[in-house]
Amino acid sequence: EVQLVESGGGLVQPGGSVRLSCVASGFSSSNYWMYWVRQAPGKGLVWVSRISSDGRSTNYAGSVRGRFSISRDNAKNTVYLQMNSLRVEDTAMYYCARAVGNAYGYGWLDPWGQGTLVTVSS
Amino acid sequence: DIQMTQSPSSLSASVGDRVTITCRPSQNISNYLNWYQQKPGRAPKLLIYGTSTLQSGVPSSFSGSGSGTDFTLTISSLQPEDSATYYCQQSYNVPLTFGGGTKVEIK
Repeated sequence: EVQLVESGGGLVQPGGSVRLSCVASGFSSSNYWMYWVRQAPGKGLVWVSRISSDGRSTNYAGSVRGRFSISRDNAKNTVYLQMNSLRVEDTAMYYCARAVGNAYGYGWLDPWGQGTLVTVSS
Repeated sequence: DIQMTQSPSSLSASVGDRVTITCRPSQNISNYLNWYQQKPGRAPKLLIYGTSTLQSGVPSSFSGSGSGTDFTLTISSLQPEDSATYYCQQSYNVPLTFGGGTKVEIK
């Protein structure tokens, strides 16, 4: 079964850091661009970051650029999101997802992990 | 960035009704439009990609159509299990962007 499982979320103080992990199973994640998408409580879906299959190319939403860093370890079938200088407005469920349909990382997202909740609060 | 406008933001319909959700991107995206279903407390699930191709396992009561700047998701006969929020997403270029969502409730 193709599956993504996120972990690493929790309660963090403003200005703090956390690292999220996303472990893929049932497929080789090294063949795919991978995405992080977040959803604030009661809100819609917002793209956060993406990384190429070989890890050489990364992109970030403007709201997180310079604070978040995406990386991957293809030997471990794992993608990471290092989140620094966290703000209250970063509070959200964070999903990882596989991009399908295009070699350049454009495409549809399938599957999605179950998400990991990051709460930034003092 | 391409802005994705969904309408309505919410709707309430009866079992068996035909339901239509519209998605309008801020520029021409050809047929690079995908739809997701999200139930409360769950991750989004891919329904339709490339405007009209149903993901494996998705009931044939779902269909997608459109091109350019006007797209539609249709549920031909609404069922109780279709109660969810539906999101469109463009894959024409990066960043991938999503519509604001349409919450579908059963009367």
